[in-house]
Amino acid sequence: AQSVAQPEDQVNVAEGNPLTVKCTYSVSGNPYLFWYVQYPNRGLQFLLKYITGDNLVKGSYGFEAEFNKSQTSFHLKKPSALVSDSALYFCAVRHDRGSTLGRLYFGRGTQLTVWP
Amino acid sequence: DAGITQSPRYKITETGRQVTLMCHQTWSHSYMFWYRQDLGHGLRLIYYSAAADITDKGEVPDGYVVSRSKTENFPLTLESATRSQTSVYFCASNSGQSTNEKLFFGSGTQLSVL
Repeated sequence: AQSVAQPEDQVNVAEGNPLTVKCTYSVSGNPYLFWYVQYPNRGLQFLLKYITGDNLVKGSYGFEAEFNKSQTSFHLKKPSALVSDSALYFCAVRHDRGSTLGRLYFGRGTQLTVWP
Repeated sequence: DAGITQSPRYKITETGRQVTLMCHQTWSHSYMFWYRQDLGHGLRLIYYSAAADITDKGEVPDGYVVSRSKTENFPLTLESATRSQTSVYFCASNSGQSTNEKLFFGSGTQLSVL
C-alpha cells in the first residue's frame, strides 16, 4: 500500500527564519513525490515534484524539497519564510509501476503559520 | 484562460436527496479526478477518468456516481446524500503526459448534508 505521513499538523515559524515541513512515504517500487499548497478557500496548487535524478528539487515560490531514500523522506524547505507562505501544505505520492498519472495518495496536511 | 471550474461553490442539501457537482476544464486534459477533503484525512480519491467514457473507482467511491460523455466535463453525483458525505470536493485534471505530472485543481465545492 502506498501512503505518506505528515507528522506535524501545525508548524509555526517566524518570518525570515528557515522552515521545514516534514513528509515520509511508504511505497513499493520507486516513488513519485509531490508537494502541493492550499491557500484559504482555494484549490491545491502544485509546488514541486521528485521523479528521478537530483535529490534536491527546487519548486515554486522559493521552496525546495530533499528526497532521502534511506530515510524514506521528502521534506519541504525554504531558507527564509514569508508571512505569505502561511497555508496548508500537502505531501503526495504515487508509485511508478503503471499507476495512473494524477492518482495520488495525499498526506493529512500541515498548516504552516509564519508570524511577523 | 478559464482553466478548471467547479459549480456550485457551496451547496446545502438534505439526507436522501440526489445532488450533482459539476466540473469543467478548458484544456482538453485527458485525465480528470474527484477528490474529497476532510479534516484528518487529507484528500482522498473518489473517482477518476482517463478519457471520455472511461471511468474508474478510487479509494472512496461508495455512494457516488460519475460520467464523462465529453472530455471537458466530469460531473459527480451523490445518488442519495448522507451526512458522512459532508465535505469539500475538488475536481482536478492532468494532461496525461508523463513529462508533465502535475494536477490542476478547481476551487472546490463545499457540500453540507443536513
